[in-house]
Amino acid sequence: GQSLEQPSEVTAVEGAIVQINCTYQTSGFYGLSWYQQHDGGAPTFLSYNALDGLEETGRFSSFLSRSDSYGYLLLQELQMKDSASYFCAVRATFKARSYQLTFGKGTKLSVIP
Amino acid sequence: NAGVTQTPKFQVLKTGQSMTLQCAQDMNHEYMSWYRQDPGMGLRLIHYSVGAGITDQGEVPNGYNVSRSTTEDFPLRLLSAAPSQTSVYFCASSPSEAHYGYTFGSGTRLTVV
Repeated sequence: GQSLEQPSEVTAVEGAIVQINCTYQTSGFYGLSWYQQHDGGAPTFLSYNALDGLEETGRFSSFLSRSDSYGYLLLQELQMKDSASYFCAVRATFKARSYQLTFGKGTKLSVIP
Repeated sequence: NAGVTQTPKFQVLKTGQSMTLQCAQDMNHEYMSWYRQDPGMGLRLIHYSVGAGITDQGEVPNGYNVSRSTTEDFPLRLLSAAPSQTSVYFCASSPSEAHYGYTFGSGTRLTVV
């Protein structure tokens, strides 16, 4: 099976930079995704890394190291609206006949003034 | 486009009752899936479908049935509700099983008493 570890809570100051780490153990790894979820809302897709390196999308960047089974989400110029939960999710072999997303337990980010 | 539509948004059931959670998407996505989200547990895969007429079990399928008669609709049936099924249920879709970004519905908050 798959297992993912990410911090349960992170607090950061408005305007600052924050990094949310994710380590995983899995077989048949295809890629690592990140999702954002505001309280009471639906998860929304942020980014995906299939290969090692950094992917940048506006204020958000995501990094993957397949050899270390590690990735992170970097949020720059934090805004109050970035307060939300962030989930990493691995796409990996499932039941040896397909590949599905397995989610981590999420990191609750609180942005303070 | 409406995206992924889930109904109802809230539901209270008595133990032993059955019900169907509805999910419809208007993006012509082949892949659809159901997740449940419990506090501190992240999202766990219940069932998924890679196309009309094709469904398979996810990580936590017990107590749930699905069918996929059309590309648009993917209902989730609770056969005999139990308090352990109290959760928030999310339906997700993507263009194909291989696609990396899921679109989630707004969720159904189910309480079983």
